[in-house]
Amino acid sequence: EAQVTQNPRYLITVTGKKLTVTCSQNMNHEYMSWYRQDPGLGLRQIYYSMNVEVTDKGDVPEGYKVSRKEKRNFPLILESPSPNQTSLYFCASRARSDRDTEAFFGQGTRLTVV
Amino acid sequence: GNSVTQMEGPVTLSEEAFLTINCTYTATGYPSLFWYVQYPGEGLQLLLKATKADDKGSNKGFEATYRKETTSFHLEKGSVQVSDSAVYFCALPSSGGGADGLTFGKGTHLIIQP
Repeated sequence: EAQVTQNPRYLITVTGKKLTVTCSQNMNHEYMSWYRQDPGLGLRQIYYSMNVEVTDKGDVPEGYKVSRKEKRNFPLILESPSPNQTSLYFCASRARSDRDTEAFFGQGTRLTVV
Repeated sequence: GNSVTQMEGPVTLSEEAFLTINCTYTATGYPSLFWYVQYPGEGLQLLLKATKADDKGSNKGFEATYRKETTSFHLEKGSVQVSDSAVYFCALPSSGGGADGLTFGKGTHLIIQP
């Protein structure tokens, strides 16, 4: 079954404690992205990657890092989380082609920073 | 850059009512247009898409027509069910600066009452 898997689904942490949210896809997709979803703001892209070792900033990259060492994995790293990073996070992937292709989303990670 | 405006809701309807969720966009050229749906506790999934002007996308009884004259892509369904309760996002490819992802509207929360 084609899927994007994120872990953990829920996470409560304290300000400044480094954390990583993992994302893995089994569809051999080149493109992967991270979004955050906030009430009244919709989804905003944090970072994206067009292939292994190729990453770039999206609309709201401050406070986040990513890496793409393998095609299937695209972890999101918060080196020093702050309360304003409390949000619902989604990883997405799609095949390398034109922009008509469907994006597949993970189930989301609800992060609370206290 | 590309942008999307959609009604935010919540929109509350009775079962078997007719549904319209408005979506208008601003874009360079004629990009593909998408509707994604997010059921409670899940990630987003593609509901339907249209790749060129006057195309009609359809799925699960939902329809949307790509109208370049009015820059709109309104979502419609003739008879909604309780199971259609979800958040619906209109989206199009992001533009500019190499950003590779989707630009979403803020989402419309749809509640169907039995």
